[in-house]
Amino acid sequence: EVQLVESGGGWVQPGRSLRLSCAASGFSIDDYGMHWVRQAPGKGLEWVAGSSWNSDDIGYAGSVKGRFNISRDNAKNSVYLELNSLRVEDTAIYYCAKETSSGWKGDFDYWGQGTLVTVTS
Amino acid sequence: DIQMTQSPSSLSASVGDRVTITCRASQSISRYINWYQQKPGKAPKFLIYAASSLQSGVPSRFSGNVSGTEFTLTINNLQPEDFATYSCQQSYISPWTFGQGTKVEIK
Repeated sequence: EVQLVESGGGWVQPGRSLRLSCAASGFSIDDYGMHWVRQAPGKGLEWVAGSSWNSDDIGYAGSVKGRFNISRDNAKNSVYLELNSLRVEDTAIYYCAKETSSGWKGDFDYWGQGTLVTVTS
Repeated sequence: DIQMTQSPSSLSASVGDRVTITCRASQSISRYINWYQQKPGKAPKFLIYAASSLQSGVPSRFSGNVSGTEFTLTINNLQPEDFATYSCQQSYISPWTFGQGTKVEIK
């Protein structure tokens, strides 16, 4: 059974950093692209960042480019999102999502339960 | 970035009804649209890909269609477990973008 479990969320002050983790089980992330999608309170979904299976394709939403960094450790079957220079508007539930393929297609077939990041002074 | 505009933002319906949700893209995206279902406090669930292909395990009462840059998600014979928020998403080009969601509520 495919499972994605996010961790690392919490309360943080503006300007500080946080590192989110996504532990995958039931499949090997070696074979798939992996992404982070967020949802601010009461708002719609926003794709944040993604990486193809070998990290040849990596992309970010304009709202986080230069501040967030996605990485993956295929040996640990885990994906990470480093959030730097956090802003109040980054407050959201952050979901880890699996691609349907190894590449860069933007089809997300499995999602974790999410981890809440709250940026507040 | 491609803008995805969903309508309506919410609707009320009864069990057994037929419901249609529309999504428009700000530019041509061919058939590169996905639909997701999300229940309160839960992760999104992948329903439909490539405009009209049902993900494995999704009931056949769900269907997707496309006409130009207008895409529709239809739920026939609405069931109690279908009351949720539905979101479209374009997978034509990164950054992948979502519609704002349509909440389907019980009348």
